Amino acid sequence: ETGVTQTPRHLVMGMTNKKSLKCEQHLGHNAMYWYKQSAKKPLELMFVYNFKEQTENNSVPSRFSPECPNSSHLFLHLHTLQPEDSALYLCASSQDWNPGTDGYTFGSGTRLTVV
Amino acid sequence: AQSVTQLDSQVPVFEEAPVELRCNYSSSVSVYLFWYVQYPNQGLQLLLKYLSGSTLVKGINGFEAEFNKSQTSFHLRKPSVHISDTAEYFCAVSSLSGGSYIPTFGRGTSLIVHP
Repeated sequence: ETGVTQTPRHLVMGMTNKKSLKCEQHLGHNAMYWYKQSAKKPLELMFVYNFKEQTENNSVPSRFSPECPNSSHLFLHLHTLQPEDSALYLCASSQDWNPGTDGYTFGSGTRLTVV
Repeated sequence: AQSVTQLDSQVPVFEEAPVELRCNYSSSVSVYLFWYVQYPNQGLQLLLKYLSGSTLVKGINGFEAEFNKSQTSFHLRKPSVHISDTAEYFCAVSSLSGGSYIPTFGRGTSLIVHP
């Protein structure tokens, strides 16, 4: 078990559903991230939070809505998704918002399938 | 801007054989370099990193990588692979770009170890 826990591990949802992904880190890190991983594509950075404040939003469609109530928890709220949104969604954390030297600690991901 | 190229999308190898996974990067400034491993149905795990100093970096599970500044490469090697090394391997580069060290990931290389 890593220090970053993601739930659920698998999620199947219809295009009209609303669901949320949860991420929790037990490492005392101050920065948390959402990444999208699609087959044979580079990891796509979606959102960055530093001390609960969003510092980066990589032109993500509004059907993805992040929430960071505290430095340990990160949510990704999903609504009216498209089939092309099916992917592995990874949460990561780092000591501070510049993970340049420490790198990331990743969770195991949520495998999302939109039908 | 920084970018990462992993030259091989898939590398098949027999157990106990040596392996090299190639990674080239481009950046106009000093870089930090990382290799991550992703086992099936899991998130990414940091294998090793180069920050400064010795160009040969040793990581977990018997892997090592060599930083070559003139060739802008950071190839990953293991002298003798095991079946359990079958996984996806990601190279990442981090440099001070826009005030942030957010890393850029390559597309990944699938290492397939055959008995």
